[in-house]
Formats: sequence, C-alpha cells, structure tokens
Amino acid sequence: TQLLEQSPQFLSIQEGENLTVYCNSSSVFSSLQWYRQEPGEGPVLLVTVVTGGEVKKLKRLTFQFGDARKDSSLHITAAQPGDTGLYLCAFTGNQFYFGTGTSLTVIP
Amino acid sequence: DAGVIQSPRHEVTEMGQEVTLRCKPISGHDYLFWYRQTMMRGLELLIYFNNNVPIDDSGMPEDRFSAKMPNASFSTLKIQPSEPRDSAVYFCASSFRNRELFFGEGSRLTVL
Repeated sequence: TQLLEQSPQFLSIQEGENLTVYCNSSSVFSSLQWYRQEPGEGPVLLVTVVTGGEVKKLKRLTFQFGDARKDSSLHITAAQPGDTGLYLCAFTGNQFYFGTGTSLTVIP
Repeated sequence: DAGVIQSPRHEVTEMGQEVTLRCKPISGHDYLFWYRQTMMRGLELLIYFNNNVPIDDSGMPEDRFSAKMPNASFSTLKIQPSEPRDSAVYFCASSFRNRELFFGEGSRLTVL
C-alpha cells in the first residue's frame, strides 16, 4: 500500500517553464519533507514543512503544505537544467516513508 | 565531516550467493535506516535502528534478509541466499533525532 502518491510520475519541460508537482495522501502528517535525488546519488533534503498552510521558498522553488496536512505541492519557477532529478516527498514520524516520486527532466 | 559511506558501490553476483552490504553512518547520528529503491516500487524502507537497536523491521521482505548494527559506526545488510528479484539500489541513511535523512551513494546490486 502506497501511503504517499505523487503526480505526475514523469515530467519533461523546456528550460524557462514553470511546473508544479504534487504529493497526496489520505493520512494526516505531523510533518513532511521534500528531497531531490540526482542520478547515481542518494536523495538530499530540500525542505521540511510542519504547519498546515505553510509556504516555504527556496530560491525558485516554492513548497506548500496543505491546510489539513494531507498534501503538499512543489512549484518551480523558470526551470533550469540543473533542476533535473527525482523529487520525493516523505512523511516523517518515527520512520521516513517516501512517495512514489516525480522524475523531472528540464531540456535546455 | 564525511557523509554516510556505503560499500560496495556495485555488486554483481549469482543467484544463491550471499551478499553483504555495509554502511558507516555520520558520526553522532542516532538513527540508521536501510532502504531499497527500484523503478517499480520506489524507495522502500526495510529496517531502521535507534541507538544501534532495531526498532522496526517490518519492511524486510523475508527471512533471507537480515540487518545488524553492532556499534554506532557500522551496520550491515545481508541477503542469503540472493535472488534475481533482489536486484536494486540499496541505500543507507542516518539522522540525528530523526530530523533529516542523510543518504549514502547507494549500493547497486545485480543478481544474475
């Protein structure tokens, strides 16, 4: 059973475009994290969101935690080839359970 | 400070052989996690330790898999006997007070 569903599964866009990826569950999370994984590497933490409705910005990346703390979104403005990678959301508690991932390719 | 160190980076073995994957967590971290990543199933949590004690091994697929953490600076994941369906990238990650996961570079296992 997949607790965290991410969409879309794959996304290929041109450099300069904007995009949004989603992370959804029927469960309520105490906190949620977003990681990015590049080929041949392990995932690396981008952000942690804790409060329902919280919005965090990291340069061109905007993260939002749903009011009910069941979903989250990641918006990238003016995507660049360096943004290419697998984006994973994870809910945290005693364990870290990861979503299915969104594989993003930004074409120069 | 060095990150999480895993070995080997790549392992190719034949079905039925024993495989041992190794992990050195970041010094001072009190949690250690083993994950398996495949295209079909994504990143699956296999087992995690807190202060060297296994807390939850419900993700371990079957008795062929075992994990140990004899001290705070070393952990192993063993598969015996290995099967082709075990082919995956195995990640070790550590954290301090469960705040953020720091991953190793992974061990890519291919079982022929």
